[in-house]
Amino acid sequence: GAVVSQHPSWVICKSGTSVKIECRSLDFQATTMFWYRQFPKQSLMLMATSNEGSKATYEQGVEKDKFLINHASLTLSTLTVTSAHPEDSSFYICSARGQGLGEGYTFGSGTRLTVV
Amino acid sequence: LAKTTQPISMDSYEGQEVNITCSHNNIATNDYITWYQQFPSQGPRFIIQGYKTKVTNEVASLFIPADRKSSTLSLPRVSLSDTAVYYCLVEKLTGGGNKLTFGTGTQLKVEL
Repeated sequence: GAVVSQHPSWVICKSGTSVKIECRSLDFQATTMFWYRQFPKQSLMLMATSNEGSKATYEQGVEKDKFLINHASLTLSTLTVTSAHPEDSSFYICSARGQGLGEGYTFGSGTRLTVV
Repeated sequence: LAKTTQPISMDSYEGQEVNITCSHNNIATNDYITWYQQFPSQGPRFIIQGYKTKVTNEVASLFIPADRKSSTLSLPRVSLSDTAVYYCLVEKLTGGGNKLTFGTGTQLKVEL
């Protein structure tokens, strides 16, 4: 089945610095990728929709200048958390739909971000 | 986007069959029902998808009544490794640009 590779798995950064998270579709092309954030014991919350070759679409309440998304190719989307603060500490997950019907969406393994 | 409602948690023992029911009263004609499984600190994983009646694969069965306003995920003979959060979602099958809305999910705990 479709595979989405997400890196890094975890990252610790100092407050005020920026962190980039990569999401790659390994065996298929993804015109659209999605970025989610998940706080402990909570469900996934959609942050933004990443569109290849165009601007991302952000959900209400998500700061587009803080969470920069770039989808420069059909297999790579990146999420950059700029000027990170402790409240940005969370589990970030990307997803995309593979080519096969009836297989749902494929999710990356997630990135645990800790801002100290 | 159709909203889904499912129990917050369920407990079971190894070897038992577990049935998790999800309600989706506002499901649209072209919506499919999909279930995902999530382990701690991992991304969700696709389990099964269906439109109506019954679908079965190597890990689960999905039962959908004629009115499609609910669905039931059935896990046969669960083991400790089935302890996870299970999400029921409603999604459109075509295209890759359809947003998914995750509900609370059901935390399944399997004990010896």
